[in-house]
Amino acid sequence: DAKTTQPPSMDCAEGRAANLPCNHSTISGNEYVYWYRQIHSQGPQYIIHGLKNNETNEMASLIITEDRKSSTLILPHATLRDTAVYYCIVRVATNAGKSTFGDGTTLTVKP
Amino acid sequence: DTGVSQNPRHKITKRGQNVTFRCDPISEHNRLYWYRQTLGQGPEFLTYFQNEAQLEKSRLLSDRFSAERPKGSFSTLEIQRTEQGDSAMYLCASSPTGTPSDEQFFGPGTRLTVL
Repeated sequence: DAKTTQPPSMDCAEGRAANLPCNHSTISGNEYVYWYRQIHSQGPQYIIHGLKNNETNEMASLIITEDRKSSTLILPHATLRDTAVYYCIVRVATNAGKSTFGDGTTLTVKP
Repeated sequence: DTGVSQNPRHKITKRGQNVTFRCDPISEHNRLYWYRQTLGQGPEFLTYFQNEAQLEKSRLLSDRFSAERPKGSFSTLEIQRTEQGDSAMYLCASSPTGTPSDEQFFGPGTRLTVL
């Protein structure tokens, strides 16, 4: 699986959009981008995934650059409960098995 | 369906003892994964099962570690002769049949402390 690079920490004001970047410059054509988050003392929680196109669900939006070498997770209206570690993972499409987590980005939402 | 459950949630043991953890995946999820997470790090993959077959094992899974999923439902992870370096959170996840979009559902984890 391709390696990802994320900033170690970010702050965001409550009610504002949180934009979390991820670099995955060695991504290959059949690899998807997944985002998970982990709130303190809980297991990781799936947020969203995408291959080429931008994706949106009830939790977040995922913007993938045209060359697929980077992506941005957007939380449109961050709340205090969004404070967590956010992991960007790149994973092969076939025989989806293990996920290789990096150290993620610690997002702190401040009032 | 109540999600992935893990037992116990916390385990304290003395060095050299054996411990066993249990994971109950979401029903009808035929893939089950084990991860280990140490403080400040992301989860590290240990092994995964499709039904009862163990399809991949990480190099992190030393000879002291063994995982089973005898009937393709719940799974156990056993650590023999525990060492202080085994202290970590052990996470279990499950997913439906592998497709490009399958997401893994994680349990709350078992926190192991080896004294």
